[in-house]
Amino acid sequence: AQKITQTQPGMFVQEKEAVTLDCTYDTSDQSYGLFWYKQPSSGEMIFLIYQGSYDEQNATEGRYSLNFQKARKSANLVISASQLGDSAMYFCAMREYSGNTPLVFGKGTRLSVIA
Amino acid sequence: GAVVSQHPSRVICKSGTSVKIECRSLDFQATTMFWYRQFPKQSLMLMATSNEGSKATYEQGVEKDKFLINHASLTLSTLTVTSAHPEDSSFYICSASRLPSTDTQYFGPGTRLTVL
Repeated sequence: AQKITQTQPGMFVQEKEAVTLDCTYDTSDQSYGLFWYKQPSSGEMIFLIYQGSYDEQNATEGRYSLNFQKARKSANLVISASQLGDSAMYFCAMREYSGNTPLVFGKGTRLSVIA
Repeated sequence: GAVVSQHPSRVICKSGTSVKIECRSLDFQATTMFWYRQFPKQSLMLMATSNEGSKATYEQGVEKDKFLINHASLTLSTLTVTSAHPEDSSFYICSASRLPSTDTQYFGPGTRLTVL
């Protein structure tokens, strides 16, 4: 069984500063993918970044980077130069590739960016 | 990027009525779609996996006779909440994959259901 843990219910960050959102996971599969989604108050799920279990380099997408530590089973999201528009819920998710399996989500972290 | 639409975006209904929610992949074919439910201030919980041309697979605790899922084509899956009750009020989100396994899932904008 797979499991995603996000231990930070809420985080505050000053505008223009960097922030790290924690995510740890548990799986017995060797092949899996890790995802981060942003959910603003509108409810839509916005895909941010993806890391495959066999990827040797950490994924980066603009201001988003994923700090992937496979041995520790962690996949933290780093947002650099925070903006007010980054205030939202952030969900870490995992998908095992043993079949066409769904995403399993963590409980989420609410990020608030302060001016 | 891939686009997934949902209709309606918001629905209010009386207790005991049925509500149908549509999920469409607009620019790609989706052999599999997933239905999630999200209660306020909680995470997304998978309800069922919908496969085109076959019966949906429901997660434990989800009543298949209450939440009817039909995936009649490669671009459309529907979720019908039958005999809705106030406790069914929630945010329902579908997602679809372009390829099996290795691609990300693309989410619809969600449907907010309120049962009075």
